[in-house]
Amino acid sequence: EDKVVQSPLSLVVHEGDTVTLNCSYEVTNFRSLLWYKQEKKAPTFLFMLTSSGIEKKSGRLSSILDKKELFSILNITATQTGDSAIYLCAVEDLTGNQFYFGTGTSLTVIP
Amino acid sequence: GAVVSQHPSRVICKSGTSVKIECRSLDFQATTMFWYRQFPKQSLMLMATSNEGSKATYEQGVEKDKFLINHASLTLSTLTVTSAHPEDSSFYICSASRTSGGLNEQYFGPGTRLTVT
Repeated sequence: EDKVVQSPLSLVVHEGDTVTLNCSYEVTNFRSLLWYKQEKKAPTFLFMLTSSGIEKKSGRLSSILDKKELFSILNITATQTGDSAIYLCAVEDLTGNQFYFGTGTSLTVIP
Repeated sequence: GAVVSQHPSRVICKSGTSVKIECRSLDFQATTMFWYRQFPKQSLMLMATSNEGSKATYEQGVEKDKFLINHASLTLSTLTVTSAHPEDSSFYICSASRTSGGLNEQYFGPGTRLTVT
């Protein structure tokens, strides 16, 4: 059964801390892994990863994929209160017709 | 964990016809269901929020007469794309939420790819 598991489920940190969010997957026909940030309405796209070992970076956020061990991590350095959100991981299969979402990690950054 | 399914996973229809997409929460009762549409570069747009037994709340710019949403039960919501046009071709994703232990949890379906020819 194809699935995506995120950990931890929730996390509370202080401003300035660095956090690592985990996403492991078991998807038979893997095409890409996507990270989203969900605050209010629709999830906001962060990264799409297709190849192992290539870090994607955007400001204080970075992500990397390990296709051998079937996981990805999302790092956030020097966290700010505005980083508080639910971070979703999703895996797209090769057909492009199926997305497998994790349940998300709820991050709370306190001042 | 909670499971949300969508049916069909892929549909091809002719321009001018209507297509119905189902979203089901398989093992829990969803207080609220959401419908999203995927745009290029992986972005997701919230189309509408539906609560069982009441009218859906549509986001600005989404035509409610074109995208009909029915939330008939706590486990089923449907999105009907009426008089489909090629520009409606997209990936539609639903999610269902429930409250557990005081926390609001949201579970996403696998999506439905609509192609209008």
